Amino acid sequence: ETGVTQTPRHLVMGMTNKKSLKCEQHLGHNAMYWYKQSAKKPLELMFVYNFKEQTENNSVPSRFSPECPNSSHLFLHLHTLQPEDSALYLCASSEGGQGNNYGYTFGSGTRLTVV
Amino acid sequence: EDKVVQSPLSLVVHEGDTVTLNCSYEVTNFRSLLWYKQEKKAPTFLFMLTSSGIEKKSGRLSSILDKKELFSILNITATQTGDSAVYLCAVTTSGTYKYIFGTGTRLKVLA
Repeated sequence: ETGVTQTPRHLVMGMTNKKSLKCEQHLGHNAMYWYKQSAKKPLELMFVYNFKEQTENNSVPSRFSPECPNSSHLFLHLHTLQPEDSALYLCASSEGGQGNNYGYTFGSGTRLTVV
Repeated sequence: EDKVVQSPLSLVVHEGDTVTLNCSYEVTNFRSLLWYKQEKKAPTFLFMLTSSGIEKKSGRLSSILDKKELFSILNITATQTGDSAVYLCAVTTSGTYKYIFGTGTRLKVLA
């Protein structure tokens, strides 16, 4: 385990379902991130939270909705997804602050399949 | 547009071989370059490079950055089957929190 825990590990959902992905870290980090990893494509940044404030939304469709109730927890709420949203969703955390001079710690990801 | 390009996309070698993975970048306000190893799911941190010409080393792995030519290499000597993974390169820029990733190099080491 890396110190960043993601649940569930695998998720299959229909296009009309609503589900949530959870990420938890107890590393004392202040910044948390959602990334999407699709086959043969670079990791795509989705959202950044720094000290619980959303600082980046990388043109993500509204069917993805993040929530960061505190510095240790991050959620990604999913509704009415499309098959092309099937991917590995990775959560990461870092020490945060201005600029990013620190390495991320990644979770193991949630493999999402939309049917 | 900021971009990071890795080559080759995939590589198959035999145990004991030495491999060199490449990462080139074009970004505004470069801050650092990082290498990650992704075996199954969670990428794990290998190196962070900020200065040109200073080699970072960890066991059989080493990496160096050239800020003039805008690239980095990751060397793995005496490869082992456990080195089989996707190696990701990422670049950070000043004043932002995000990483810009390359597509990765998939390395397979045969016994």
